[in-house]
Amino acid sequence: AQSVTQLDSQVPVFEEAPVELRCNYSSSVSVYLFWYVQYPNQGLQLLLKYLSGSTLVKGINGFEAEFNKSQTSFHLRKPSVHISDTAEYFCAVTHTGTASKLTFGTGTRLQVTL
Amino acid sequence: GAVVSQHPSWVICKSGTSVKIECRSLDFQATTMFWYRQFPKQSLMLMATSNEGSKATYEQGVEKDKFLINHASLTLSTLTVTSAHPEDSSFYICSARDGRTDTQYFGPGTRLTVL
Repeated sequence: AQSVTQLDSQVPVFEEAPVELRCNYSSSVSVYLFWYVQYPNQGLQLLLKYLSGSTLVKGINGFEAEFNKSQTSFHLRKPSVHISDTAEYFCAVTHTGTASKLTFGTGTRLQVTL
Repeated sequence: GAVVSQHPSWVICKSGTSVKIECRSLDFQATTMFWYRQFPKQSLMLMATSNEGSKATYEQGVEKDKFLINHASLTLSTLTVTSAHPEDSSFYICSARDGRTDTQYFGPGTRLTVL
């Protein structure tokens, strides 16, 4: 079985400040890792994904994440946030070679203020 | 990126009626689609995996007779909530797996309110 832990339910940050949203996973086999963003009353939009290769993954909207196998982490970062980044962020994991049955974390609410 | 649509985007119905929600992959074929349920301020919970041409696989605790799933073609899956009750009110989100990239693309969701 696999699981995802997002330790921070809410992260308040000022505009133009850097941010890190934490994600740790647990799995006995190799995994694919994803970050999704959800704006109010909308579905999920893929920010970035790690399948293999370089452990530093760049995504849309200036976000990036680093896969750390030894720490079983996949933290999401952005060097300078905008008000428009205010949303719910979900980390998700799936086993490689499966039909992509995703397991989601509980989400982190990023609140950007002036 | 790939696009997944859902219809309707919101629906209000009376208790006891049935509601059908459609999920379509618009620019790719999806042999596998997934149905999720999301309660306010909570994460997505997988309800079932829908496979084209075969029966859906339901997660533990999900009533298959209440949440009927049909995956009639490579671009369409439907979720029917039968005899809906107020506790079925939720945000239902589908996703479709693009086999070329092994990535799930999500629909915009359907807000169901049962009165």
